[in-house]
Amino acid sequence: GENVEQHPSTLSVQEGDSAVIKCTYSDSASNYFPWYKQELGKRPQLIIDIRSNVGEKKDQRIAVTLNKTAKHFSLHITETQPEDSAVYFCAASRSGGYNKLIFGAGTRLAVHP
Amino acid sequence: DTEVTQTPKHLVMGMTNKKSLKCEQHMGHRAMYWYKQKAKKPPELMFVYSYEKLSINESVPSRFSPECPNSSLLNLHLHALQPEDSALYLCASSPTTGNEQFFGPGTRLTVL
Repeated sequence: GENVEQHPSTLSVQEGDSAVIKCTYSDSASNYFPWYKQELGKRPQLIIDIRSNVGEKKDQRIAVTLNKTAKHFSLHITETQPEDSAVYFCAASRSGGYNKLIFGAGTRLAVHP
Repeated sequence: DTEVTQTPKHLVMGMTNKKSLKCEQHMGHRAMYWYKQKAKKPPELMFVYSYEKLSINESVPSRFSPECPNSSLLNLHLHALQPEDSALYLCASSPTTGNEQFFGPGTRLTVL
């Protein structure tokens, strides 16, 4: 069935370093790829998304890249700050239809001052 | 109003109780979702409503009963739950079913 693999499961960086989280999806018909940030006890928050007609998208310190051929997409966070510490979930879905999001297992990012 | 709201924030119930979770959005979104999230796991889809009609039921046990009274409201009725149903229950909405989903803060449910 449809699957999204996410790596690493935990990531520890020093403040100011970059962080990269990678996801691989199995459904070649997937064309929408959101990233959610979930702080402890809070709701998942959509931080950036990309559609399959775009290879890269940036929003300040956050960027997402998509390689459709390899069915990979990645989240890049530059100049990390302690407030970036959270669990990050990638997801994939087909737009149209009922937009069922298939989530990765999550990456726990810790940014140390 | 640009948020999804959920009530209550916390709920403790016994296995014989009947309770309801409520979700509301005033963004004009026409798709609404219920998810269940266990600790250290991603959200797990339970139900999808599109234009107030149930579109997806992910083989959820009948002790969970969703209801969409209108385009702004989504309820989840709970009856005869089991301790393993304890989790964070998240509601989400999206403009239509093909767009980004926005989550509410969740209801943390404990079944004793």
